[in-house]
Amino acid sequence: GAVVSQHPSWVICKSGTSVKIECRSLDFQATTMFWYRQFPKQSLMLMATSNEGSKATYEQGVEKDKFLINHASLTLSTLTVTSAHPEDSSFYICSARGGTSGEIFSYEQYFGPGTRLTVT
Amino acid sequence: GQNIDQPTEMTATEGAIVQINCTYQTSGFNGLFWYQQHAGEAPTFLSYNVLDGLEEKGRFSSFLSRSKGYSYLLLKELQMKDSASYLCAVGDSNYQLIWGAGTKLIIKP
Repeated sequence: GAVVSQHPSWVICKSGTSVKIECRSLDFQATTMFWYRQFPKQSLMLMATSNEGSKATYEQGVEKDKFLINHASLTLSTLTVTSAHPEDSSFYICSARGGTSGEIFSYEQYFGPGTRLTVT
Repeated sequence: GQNIDQPTEMTATEGAIVQINCTYQTSGFNGLFWYQQHAGEAPTFLSYNVLDGLEEKGRFSSFLSRSKGYSYLLLKELQMKDSASYLCAVGDSNYQLIWGAGTKLIIKP
C-alpha cells in the first residue's frame, strides 16, 4: 500500500513557540492531504483539507492563522502550529489521497504515523 | 446533518467472534470505510464497501446495506492484538470522509 511519513514523531516545545510538522507521501502523488487532530480517547477531528498548489480549506472552529498549512508539492504538506499553547498539545495526524474523484479507491486516505505535540 | 453512530466500547473473548455496527446518515454516499487504530498510533485501512453485501478478507469481514444506512465489521477468531479502536467512515457527495467516533474493542483472555 501507499506510504505516508510524518516528521517529527513527537515534539516538546515551550508555550509561545512555533512548531512545523511535515507530511510526505513516499510512493505516490498526493493530490489532497488532510490534517487531523486527536485528543486522548477521542476520535479524529478534521482540521483542514489541502490540495496541492491551492489554499487549504479549514473546518469550522479551526484558526487558519494559528494552524498554517502549506501543500507546495504533490508529495509534501506542512502544518505549522504558531504560538503554541498547552491546549494545542495533541496527536496530529496527516493523511494523503491520490487520484481523481472518478475512481473507486481514489479517496481512500493513507495515514501518516502521527506527531505527538506537547506544549509546556 | 451528517451523522455516523457506532458503539463506544465493546468487550469480547479471545477466540470468539464480535460484530461492530455502524449506522450513518450523510449527504450522498461514496463508500464506507473501516479503519483500525491502536492506542497512540494512526489509523490503518481495513476495508471498503460501496455495494451492498459482505466483503471478506481473512478474519475480518465488512457488510453494507445502503438502503438501511448500515454496516458492520465482523472479526473472527479474535486475538489479543485485535484490541484497538475501530473507526467507521463514510465518503460523502464531496468525496470527503465523515468519521464515526470509533468503537473501542477490548479483548479478554
